[in-house]
Amino acid sequence: EAGVAQSPRYKIIEKRQSVAFWCNPISGHATLYWYQQILGQGPKLLIQFQNNGVVDDSQLPKDRFSAERLKGVDSTLKIQPAKLEDSAVYLCASSYLRGRVTEAFFGQGTRLTVV
Amino acid sequence: GESVGLHLPTLSVQEGDNSIINCAYSNSASDYFIWYKQESGKGPQFIIDIRSNMDKRQGQRVTVLLNKTVKHLSLQIAATQPGDSAVYFCAERPDNQGGKLIFGQGTELSVKP
Repeated sequence: EAGVAQSPRYKIIEKRQSVAFWCNPISGHATLYWYQQILGQGPKLLIQFQNNGVVDDSQLPKDRFSAERLKGVDSTLKIQPAKLEDSAVYLCASSYLRGRVTEAFFGQGTRLTVV
Repeated sequence: GESVGLHLPTLSVQEGDNSIINCAYSNSASDYFIWYKQESGKGPQFIIDIRSNMDKRQGQRVTVLLNKTVKHLSLQIAATQPGDSAVYFCAERPDNQGGKLIFGQGTELSVKP
């Protein structure tokens, strides 16, 4: 079974530029999560989708971050404009059922460096 | 704010010894807890979970203990191996927040041969 795919693996941008990350969850997984992991910290949930609907985006900085999952499969996370403090690893995860975290699988993440 | 934290940021053990990684959580409404292992350059990997109606659960070489009285969670790894070297995170799921997981800071486990 293929895992959660993310791209790119690494990205370096200047502050005030925009960037987008892509995630392809495991086939059949209805729930998709985007997490931000700052170096030395645990992942922090940014947004959770159930199919193509948003379940939780309470910690998403909506003035600069946006995410979509138009067809209930792939998802993109965008930052515009980026700030230095956005440097982090952005992890995508998917699970079969909402809240069934034993079935949540993480991708390798995209490491973003903002200079 | 609510958070899950770990007592020690680093832990070094000898190969073959047992490891104990501790975690304190603050949300008494959490009904589910998970330990994840994260190797360098990889995403977190599920190790073991426990529900709030249990106080102990065993897996292969791993045991999770839950003490709800003091809001404490621990992960025990038996006969620690070099491949166990990684950062370990505990995470809690408050039962009133739609399934969101709150992760702790992490403990880096280093296994000496």
